[in-house]
Amino acid sequence: SQKIEQNSEALNIQEGKTATLTCNYTNYSPAYLQWYRQDPGRGPVFLLLIRENEKEKRKERLKVTFDTTLKQSLFHITASQPADSATYLCALDRGNAGNNRKLIWGLGTSLAVNP
Amino acid sequence: DTAVSQTPKYLVTQMGNDKSIKCEQNLGHDTMYWYKQDSKKFLKIMFSYNNKELIINETVPNRFSPKSPDKAHLNLHINSLELGDSAVYFCASSQYPLFNEQFFGPGTRLTVL
Repeated sequence: SQKIEQNSEALNIQEGKTATLTCNYTNYSPAYLQWYRQDPGRGPVFLLLIRENEKEKRKERLKVTFDTTLKQSLFHITASQPADSATYLCALDRGNAGNNRKLIWGLGTSLAVNP
Repeated sequence: DTAVSQTPKYLVTQMGNDKSIKCEQNLGHDTMYWYKQDSKKFLKIMFSYNNKELIINETVPNRFSPKSPDKAHLNLHINSLELGDSAVYFCASSQYPLFNEQFFGPGTRLTVL
């Protein structure tokens, strides 16, 4: 069956360090992969989208990689801050070819950045 | 300006009741979604509408009926509520196609007693 796995354990890091979150998938061939941030009691907020033909994407302190051979995406936050503490979700498109490729979501990884 | 809004934010009701959740977006998007996030935080798509047409209908009990009166609104009506319906329901919108970034509402926490 198709599956998306993210680090199930919460990630605790020290302020200023780089946080690295993992998203692994099996039995998919997604064309797009997205990362979202979710704070308690709120809806997910879009961060980055990366296409299958892109190896890496950056936005300010965020970097995403997409390795279609390993079936893995890594999400990095450099110079992390306590305000980065949240749950981070990855989402992949799946379905038939064409425009109705809906998103399938991982369970998310909880990140805590300690001051 | 709120991009995607939902009402109500909290809904507490008895088993067997019928309830509705409303969603509106002012982003000019043509696609809207309903998601369910359960207690394990798993986010699962329920329905998607594009230009008022239903394009995704996951295996959701037919007690759940979405309605899109226009592109900016997508409502969810739930009949005969059950304990297992307790969850947070999120509305979202995006430009078509579906793999574009999605904008989520604040969620409606439904508790069925």
